[in-house]
Amino acid sequence: RKEVEQDPGPFNVPEGATVAFNCTYSNSASQSFFWYRQDCRKEPKLLMSVYSSGNEDGRFTAQLNRASQYISLLIRDSKLSDSATYLCVVGGWGSARQLTFGSGTQLTVLP
Amino acid sequence: GAGVSQTPSNKVTEKGKYVELRCDPISGHTALYWYRQSLGQGPEFLIYFQGTGAADDSGLPNDRFFAVRPEGSVSTLKIQRTERGDSAVYLCASSLGGAEGEQFFGPGTRLTVL
Repeated sequence: RKEVEQDPGPFNVPEGATVAFNCTYSNSASQSFFWYRQDCRKEPKLLMSVYSSGNEDGRFTAQLNRASQYISLLIRDSKLSDSATYLCVVGGWGSARQLTFGSGTQLTVLP
Repeated sequence: GAGVSQTPSNKVTEKGKYVELRCDPISGHTALYWYRQSLGQGPEFLIYFQGTGAADDSGLPNDRFFAVRPEGSVSTLKIQRTERGDSAVYLCASSLGGAEGEQFFGPGTRLTVL
């Protein structure tokens, strides 16, 4: 079983749609949680950190449920420029600060 | 300011050859990470440096892989006796080193082993 699992998609949605991505992680000792965005043939870039209280950044809302070991990302009013692969990422702490990535969910926003 | 840079951007080599991949982190970042990304997968952790020392090398797949960071800045990932299965994008990231430090990724080196 992978440490971080997410639906690979692809998700093809029309402009303006709301789309949700889900992710589960297996290591209950994980300390930090993120969504990264990766454009085709580019490096991953941090989209947002995820907190138990939930957090919102414009059209993007992320949620963490530690009890269920579940992370979500909601994108409202999707734009063509949102087309990318979204990576669910879990981090450790101390000497285990490396990030563990899911395989990514591919999103294409259609005109 | 300047981000993480990696050289070369592309490297094609033959099976059995030795390769070196270089990473220049963001100035002042004490933590440096190497990841490997295969097609259709997320990046996989290889090794983490805090300063000059390797704090965690548990992700290195075997003893053909080695990395150094002698002066606590630039790092080199070295792969001996390359195999076709080593073909991937090798990503470097750096962070300030604190517990909450965001990792900033470089553009990667695309390694192809023929």
